[in-house]
Amino acid sequence: GAVVSQHPSRVICKSGTSVKIECRSLDFQATTMFWYRQFPKQSLMLMATSNEGSKATYEQGVEKDKFLINHASLTLSTLTVTSAHPEDSSFYICSAYDPWEKLFFGSGTQLSVL
Amino acid sequence: AQTVTQSQPEMSVQEAETVTLSCTYDTSENNYYLFWYKQPPSRQMILVIRQEAYKQQNATENRFSVNFQKAAKSFSLKISDSQLGDTAMYFCAFMNPPPGKSTFGDGTTLTVKP
Repeated sequence: GAVVSQHPSRVICKSGTSVKIECRSLDFQATTMFWYRQFPKQSLMLMATSNEGSKATYEQGVEKDKFLINHASLTLSTLTVTSAHPEDSSFYICSAYDPWEKLFFGSGTQLSVL
Repeated sequence: AQTVTQSQPEMSVQEAETVTLSCTYDTSENNYYLFWYKQPPSRQMILVIRQEAYKQQNATENRFSVNFQKAAKSFSLKISDSQLGDTAMYFCAFMNPPPGKSTFGDGTTLTVKP
């Protein structure tokens, strides 16, 4: 199937710093990508829809200034967690539709804020 | 808004046996997609099977098949000849046509016992 690459897989940072997570579609172009947050043993919670060349669409309750999304090209979307705090610690996952309308996921990023 | 319900938080099955995971959903849409994803301990979301709502024929992928009942809004997953590697959390997902958003159920943790 299609490949969605996500980096880094794990990041540990100090409280107050910013962290950038990259999501790339390796063998197809993706005008739309999605970002999720997942807590242990829970379901995926959609945070935002990333649209190439335009502003992201955030779900209700998600802080736009805290979670900055940039979709600068047809193969790359980034999520920046600004001024991270311990409560932002979580597993973050991205996804994208391939040309055959199947949704593929990145491998996820475990963020730990100390 | 769509909702997806997985009523079985945990299930277990003996190796080589067959198991069925349940999923129901609620929507007013007529055109949509339904997916089953597997999330092993690595936390990588793996696409198991996809069903288009306009297709009456149930989707199959090797040992995995679905029972799609559109009128009843039911979408169960059958795993035949269960293998130890099938041990994972399984998520049922409803998706609007691409690049539409997705809604996930709470998941079913499946354990395959030797």
